Amino acid sequence: EVQLVESGGGLVPPGKSLRLSCAASGFIFDDFAMSWVRQRPGQGLEWVAGINWDSDETGYADSVKGRFTISRDNAKNSLFLVMNSLRPEDTALYYCAKDMGGDPLDALLDHWGQGTLVTVSS
Amino acid sequence: HVLTQPPSVSVAPGQTARFACGGNNLGGNTVNWYQQRPGQAPVLVVYDDTDRPSGIPERFSGSHSGNTATLTISRVEPGDEADYYCQARENTGVLKWVFGGGTKLTVL
Repeated sequence: EVQLVESGGGLVPPGKSLRLSCAASGFIFDDFAMSWVRQRPGQGLEWVAGINWDSDETGYADSVKGRFTISRDNAKNSLFLVMNSLRPEDTALYYCAKDMGGDPLDALLDHWGQGTLVTVSS
Repeated sequence: HVLTQPPSVSVAPGQTARFACGGNNLGGNTVNWYQQRPGQAPVLVVYDDTDRPSGIPERFSGSHSGNTATLTISRVEPGDEADYYCQARENTGVLKWVFGGGTKLTVL
């Protein structure tokens, strides 16, 4: 059974940084691309960033480009999102999601975690 | 939102629900659809315009013509009540994806 478990969320002041992690199990992690998707309270879904199986290809939403960095450690079956210069509008539930394929990055997300909440506030 | 969806759809049980998704970027890109029940993570219900992942009932189907894609749920059940989001690449060849604003399905 595919499992994706996010961690690392919390309350952080504006301008600070946070690192989210996603622990994957139940599938061959390095066969698949991965993405982060967020959902602000009471709002819709927003694709944030994606990475292909070997980290050769990454993509970012305009709203986070230059501030957020997606990465993965295939040896540890883990996905990461480093978020710098956080803003109040980054407050959201952040989901880790598995792509149906590995390459190219396609953001066709067939399994999702339960999310980790990030709150940016002073 | 780059992808436009009506905010709500209401149907009685047993009827057919249709969800539209429009966008100028849809002419050259396929569309995926996700169901999100309250308090739960999204679930992929249709991908590449018309395909269904394993485990998704045949009642869920998709179509795409020009700049508009449609998700259709036949024989709607109370358990189908949820938000439905379309998703597509922002533009052909670009490594960015966008979601529509979502449509809330109410089963009367």
